[in-house]
Amino acid sequence: EVQLVESGGGLVQPGGSLRLSCVASGFTFSYHWMTWVRQAPGKGLEWVANIKEDGSQQYYVDSVKGRFTVSRDNAKNSLYLQMNSLRAEDTAVYYCARAPAGAPADYWGQGTPVTVSS
Amino acid sequence: QTVVTQEPSFSVSPGGTVTLTCALSSGSVSTKYYPSWYQQTPGQPPRTLIYNTNTRSSGVPDRFSGSILGNKAALTITGAQADDESDYYCVVNMPNGIWVFGGGTKVTV
Repeated sequence: EVQLVESGGGLVQPGGSLRLSCVASGFTFSYHWMTWVRQAPGKGLEWVANIKEDGSQQYYVDSVKGRFTVSRDNAKNSLYLQMNSLRAEDTAVYYCARAPAGAPADYWGQGTPVTVSS
Repeated sequence: QTVVTQEPSFSVSPGGTVTLTCALSSGSVSTKYYPSWYQQTPGQPPRTLIYNTNTRSSGVPDRFSGSILGNKAALTITGAQADDESDYYCVVNMPNGIWVFGGGTKVTV
């Protein structure tokens, strides 16, 4: 059974940093692109970033470029999102997802909430 | 900045058929944009319905189907059931590699 478990969310002040983690199981992690998607309170889904199977390519939505970094450790079946210079508008539930060919996501984690507030 | 547009809301009778669409501000949606569709109920993560235009995700009933209709991607629900009442999101892959979600459609059954 495919499982994705996010962690690392919490309350942080504007300008602060957080590192989200996602541990995968039930599939061969190193064979798949992985994706981060977020959802602000009461809002729709927003694709944030993805990373190639071997970590050699990453893509980001413009609003997080230069502030967020997606990475992975295939030996640990883990995906990460380093978030720096956080802003109030980054407040959201952050979902980790496995990306099949032709889609940003097929399996999703339960999400981890991030609140940026003073 | 490309905008992906969906109908804000739709109402369908139980047993009825509804087609949701997904349009691009920059032109037509085609298969090369790999449109996908997701269903979400409040407090839950999204559920994958359709990817790569018309491939149904594992376990998704065949009353959900994806297609290209004219210049838009489309999700059709045939024989709507009460538990289909959800928010539905489309997403497309842009030539620069990023994915862009639509604003979502709230479906009431």
